[in-house]
Parts: sequence; structure tokens; C-alpha cells
Amino acid sequence: GQQLNQSPQSMFIQEGEDVSMNCTSSSIFNTWLWYKQDPGEGPVLLIALYKAGELTSNGRLTAQFGITRKDSFLNISASIPSDVGIYFCAGQLPGAQKLVFGQGTRLTINP
Amino acid sequence: NAGVTQTPKFRVLKTGQSMTLLCAQDMNHEYMYWYRQDPGMGLRLIHYSVGEGTTAKGEVPDGYNVSRLKKQNFLLGLESAAPSQTSVYFCASSWAGFTGELFFGEGSRLTVL
Repeated sequence: GQQLNQSPQSMFIQEGEDVSMNCTSSSIFNTWLWYKQDPGEGPVLLIALYKAGELTSNGRLTAQFGITRKDSFLNISASIPSDVGIYFCAGQLPGAQKLVFGQGTRLTINP
Repeated sequence: NAGVTQTPKFRVLKTGQSMTLLCAQDMNHEYMYWYRQDPGMGLRLIHYSVGEGTTAKGEVPDGYNVSRLKKQNFLLGLESAAPSQTSVYFCASSWAGFTGELFFGEGSRLTVL
């Protein structure tokens, strides 16, 4: 099946540091999304991107839809303890009514 | 404020037993999904439904069946559980006119011994 390659798989950072993660694919996607999963919870949507080249911010989070439509990145600035969790990229293939998810990036923050 | 509710939250089965996971949503969403989450594998789609009475296979459908008899409910069944089906299962729903925004339940942790 379709796969999204998400990296890194895990990150251990100090509070206040910036974070960057990305997703790539060999397929073209119509939509790229970033979700966050807190421990013991289901994922929650952070940012949705609908156009190639689009750059969108949500507070300290910034995400971009790659120009080739085959990749996306998520940046978190000035990390805080509540940023801990698993971040997933997800993509919607043209015409599909479902999402493909990346493997996730587990973020751990040392205070 | 219920959103998407999954039952049960935890279950332990023996190999070969059967069970059903229930997902209920109160947002009048047209689309519903069942995913499984395994370490290092992300979320993989098992089955989904784009409307009452319709179902479709996802990436990993083998060993599972689903039914969508009512718009608000989506059932996931395991007819003969196997240890490989030990996982955390998530139900999600979304509006028609798919935008990619899924609303997830809290998950159901299933262990098959």
C-alpha cells in the first residue's frame, strides 16, 4: 500500500528548543495534514494543508505543503512540556476519501 | 460533548475467540474509519465506510469484518482472534466532502493471548 516516510522516529530535546520533522512519499497527495497524539488519547488535527507550496501556522507550529506535492514538514518553535506526544503526518491521495498516515515522530522534552 | 465513543476500552482475548468493537459518533458524520496502531507502524486503515450500509477495505483488512447498519455506529469484528491482532484500535469519523479532518475516539486496547 501507499506509504509515508516520516522522520525522525523519535526526538529527545530540551525545553525551549525548536523541533523539525518531515514526511516524504513517492506519490502525489492532494492534502497534507499533521496530527498530534497525547498519551492515552486519539490523534487530534493540528494543521491541514490543501495547496502545493502552502505555508500555514497555528501558534508555535508551522507546516508546509511541498511544491512537488510529495512531502511536507512541521516545525515547532520554543518547545514546552505539553508538546510531548506523537506527531503524525497524513496525506490524502487524489480522489480518496481516506488518509494514509506516517509512522509517527515521538517527541520527548527534558525540562 | 461525547464525539466519538469506543467500547470496550480494554479487552483480553484468547486465540480463536471472537469479539466486536463498537464505535458510536454523535456528530452526524457520514464517514467512519477503523485504524490499528502498532509501535513503529503508525496508524493503518483496516476498513472504512462512506455511508450507512456501505463498507470498504483499507490497507490491512484481513481477519476483520465491519458493519454500518446505522449512520452513527460502526462495528469492527474479529471472528477468530490471533496474537497478531494485539493492538490499539482507533475509530474515527468525518464529514462528507472529505477534507482530511478526522475525529478520533480514545482507542481500544486489545490483547490476544
